[in-house]
Amino acid sequence: DIQMTQSPSYLSASIGDRVTITCRASQDISNFLNWYQQKAGKAPKLLIYHASSLETGVPSRFSGRGSGTDFTFTISSLQPEDIATYYCQQYDNVTPDVTFGGGTKLDIK
Amino acid sequence: QVHLEQSGAEVKKSGASVTVSCRASGGTFSSYTVNWVRQAPGQGPEWIGRIIPLVGTVNYARKFQDKVTLTADKSTGTAYLELSSLRLEDTAIYYCARNLGSAIYLDVWGPGTLVTVSS
Repeated sequence: DIQMTQSPSYLSASIGDRVTITCRASQDISNFLNWYQQKAGKAPKLLIYHASSLETGVPSRFSGRGSGTDFTFTISSLQPEDIATYYCQQYDNVTPDVTFGGGTKLDIK
Repeated sequence: QVHLEQSGAEVKKSGASVTVSCRASGGTFSSYTVNWVRQAPGQGPEWIGRIIPLVGTVNYARKFQDKVTLTADKSTGTAYLELSSLRLEDTAIYYCARNLGSAIYLDVWGPGTLVTVSS
C-alpha cells in the first residue's frame, strides 16, 4: 500500500503569509495527487486535483505542484477564512486504492 | 449542481450492523462513482471503497473487505453502506463522495453520517 507523509502536522501563520505544505508518497504516483480543505464540522472540500489543477470556484491563491513522490501545496497570501485542516490524497485507479495524508492543521498566529 | 444527501446519525451496540444511505439529488447517479470515506474523531479521512452504480462494480479497501458491503439502487439514485459486526473503533463520520471518470478526486461530498458504537 502507498503511504502518504504530510508535513508539518501543525502550522501557525499570519494573515498575508505564504504557506506551504508538503506531501511525500512512498512510491511514484505520477500526478495522481489531490488536496482538500476541511473546516471544523464540515466535509472535506476539493481544492486541487492532478497535483496542480485548480478546482472550479477555488481562489487562485491556492496552488499545487509536484510529480512522482514529492508534492507541495501553497497558499500565496493567507486569509482568515483559510483556517482549516488540509489533506493530500493519492489514488491508484488500477487497484483501485486511495490514501489520505495525515493532515496539516493551519492556524492564524 | 449535484448534491448528495445522507441518512441521519445512528447509535448502535457493539456487534450490531448499520446501514447508511446516500441519495443523489434528482434521484439519479448519472455516470459517476460513489465513494465512501470515514473519519474517526480527531483523525484523517480513510477510504472505504467505491461503487459504480450504472454497472454495479464494487471495490473495497483491503482493510474493509470483511467489514463493509456497498450497494446501490439505480431506480432511486441511492447508494448504501452496510457495516457489520460493529466495534467501538467503528465510531466515525461516514461520508459518501462522488468522482467522475477514472481519476479518483472527490469533488462532491455528502454532509456525513455519524455512527456511534457503544458497549
